Amino acid sequence: DGGITQSPKYLFRKEGQNVTLSCEQNLNHDAMYWYRQDPGQGLRLIYYSQIVNDFQKGDIAEGYSVSREKKESFPLTVTSAQKNPTAFYLCASSIVGASNQPQHFGDGTRLSIL
Amino acid sequence: GENVEQHPSTLSVQEGDSAVIKCTYSDSASNYFPWYKQELGKGPQLIIDIRSNVGEKKDQRIAVTLNKTAKHFSLHITETQPEDSAVYFCAGATKTSYDKVIFGPGTSLSVIP
Repeated sequence: DGGITQSPKYLFRKEGQNVTLSCEQNLNHDAMYWYRQDPGQGLRLIYYSQIVNDFQKGDIAEGYSVSREKKESFPLTVTSAQKNPTAFYLCASSIVGASNQPQHFGDGTRLSIL
Repeated sequence: GENVEQHPSTLSVQEGDSAVIKCTYSDSASNYFPWYKQELGKGPQLIIDIRSNVGEKKDQRIAVTLNKTAKHFSLHITETQPEDSAVYFCAGATKTSYDKVIFGPGTSLSVIP
């Protein structure tokens, strides 16, 4: 079945450490997205990529970095510059990078601080 | 800036009753309004969406209505079942700053058997 796979499901970060969250899709979608979800809040856009080798900052990009070297992969790195990284991170994709297209989500990675 | 508000934040209904969740949006140019259901520990799943050229859309027990003049849209779930218990998010597409979807804060729905 086609879908989006995020790994790991749970991740712990030590002070001063960078960690990378994996996101892979086999839907053949051009666009991919990373969102952060905090309790009681909607999803906030971190980064998005409309096509391979191209990506743009979203609303809360500070302290995060991404790459899009392959169509099916869009890893997110949470750097030590992100002072409050504890959250649920969701990856999504859509056929094309337009806001009027439905997005398909993975099952998320929960990041906590050790 | 662009904003999507959602009410109520929590909702409890008896099994078999109807549930209604309401959202308002600020960008009058918004043209696409999806609704997502998120179960505990899972990612959101699209359950229904509506475009601005349509006033109402129905899919079995789920319906969405859109009032462009008032800039609000609503999700209606009829004959609720325990498996409908989840967090529901409304969203609106906007192109004001860049082409993106803005999500409401979510409604936690509990269906009591």
